[in-house]
Amino acid sequence: DTAVSQTPKYLVTQMGNDKSIKCEQNLGHDTMYWYKQDSKKFLKIMFSYNNKELIINETVPNRFSPKSPDKAHLNLHINSLELGDSAVYFCASSQRRKPYEQYFGPGTRLTVT
Amino acid sequence: TQLLEQSPQFLSIQEGENLTVYCNSSSVFSSLQWYRQEPGEGPVLLVTVVTGGEVKKLKRLTFQFGDARKDSSLHITAAQTGDTGLYLCAGENAHAGNNRKLIWGLGTSLAVNP
Repeated sequence: DTAVSQTPKYLVTQMGNDKSIKCEQNLGHDTMYWYKQDSKKFLKIMFSYNNKELIINETVPNRFSPKSPDKAHLNLHINSLELGDSAVYFCASSQRRKPYEQYFGPGTRLTVT
Repeated sequence: TQLLEQSPQFLSIQEGENLTVYCNSSSVFSSLQWYRQEPGEGPVLLVTVVTGGEVKKLKRLTFQFGDARKDSSLHITAAQTGDTGLYLCAGENAHAGNNRKLIWGLGTSLAVNP
């Protein structure tokens, strides 16, 4: 069974379009995240949700809007895509108790042309 | 801004060699984790260390947390081609309060050649 799954795996789209990435975890975790990994492999946290409540919102353009319908799902919608949005986006989950171990999905490679 | 510095950034060695990767910071962490990421996949947790001076072993991998909980090292003995990947360290801020998150290093890209 896949612990953290994301769809789609690959996303190629044109500038200005709107797209969504979906994430689901079946680990029973209460916290979910979106990370962006750039071409230099640096992992940067974007958002964190705990029990459907937004708890971390890093400096991310408001074209990015996360939505958590329940504890097991965290989706990411991106409006008006730009070239600089091209990256690999990872969903992750964890339990809020210590230590803060995170379990990652396989990633969504977004290419904006 | 908290930083976790990893060194070396790139490492290319022959199968059978030993290597050590370092993760350093001026901040104290309540825990530190090591992940390995293979191409096209998400990072996978290898180990978590929580106590200053702690040493954990995972087969040929030895992880150590510094006494002051500001640094960590990963030592691989007799590297194999299957060890190839991006190794990431991540520390949890000891004083984050409600703003808990992991501080990530930039990664060490390891290539083990046959």
